[in-house]
Amino acid sequence: SAVISQKPSRDICQRGTSLTIQCQVDSQVTMMFWYRQQPGQSLTLIATANQGSEATYESGFVIDKFPISRPNLTFSTLTVSNMSPEDSSIYLCSVGGGGSEQFFGPGTRLTVL
Amino acid sequence: QQPVQSPQAVILREGEDAVINCSSSKALYSVHWYRQKHGEAPVFLMILLKGGEQKGHDKISASFNEKKQQSSLYLTASQLSYSGTYFCGTVSSNDYKLSFGAGTTVTVRA
Repeated sequence: SAVISQKPSRDICQRGTSLTIQCQVDSQVTMMFWYRQQPGQSLTLIATANQGSEATYESGFVIDKFPISRPNLTFSTLTVSNMSPEDSSIYLCSVGGGGSEQFFGPGTRLTVL
Repeated sequence: QQPVQSPQAVILREGEDAVINCSSSKALYSVHWYRQKHGEAPVFLMILLKGGEQKGHDKISASFNEKKQQSSLYLTASQLSYSGTYFCGTVSSNDYKLSFGAGTTVTVRA
């Protein structure tokens, strides 16, 4: 199993600002995933981050709004840029998947005023 | 494309049973089931890889019909701790990405 930590656990931000969320895994993993969960909704995949290459974004998500870094096999960051109240969500990083269990971090609860 | 879950919500008394269904329009590689309690991250329950595979976790079990691209989660003799929102996640044979259904909210009452 993998243990995932995220920072910050929660934040309240002003519109127009940016927030960077950090994700740390206790073992080396090839792929890391970033999900968004809007209030009362399901989880939506934002992007897949592989070490050493550009992140792959899902439809409706763009790099300018959600830049991702993946500097090594245990760490990734997601930035939510130029925030608006519609960005208020829980952001979760995740590892694993495919034919095996996918583990989730505890999430970052973001409120944009 | 998001898998379709049903029902949206179910209310049970302790000891009652329930079934949650999940279906996809894509050929599936695997089906994952998660439970999420309010304010917490989703917790993995089980993964099903092969057509016809069934698994169990305590009194929660699941089946996977690969041909019909469907999976069902069975809550047997429900306990108060079973309350939460259950999500199915499907991984298609095309891209191996986990997509989640809309969720089923289960409320178990004493």
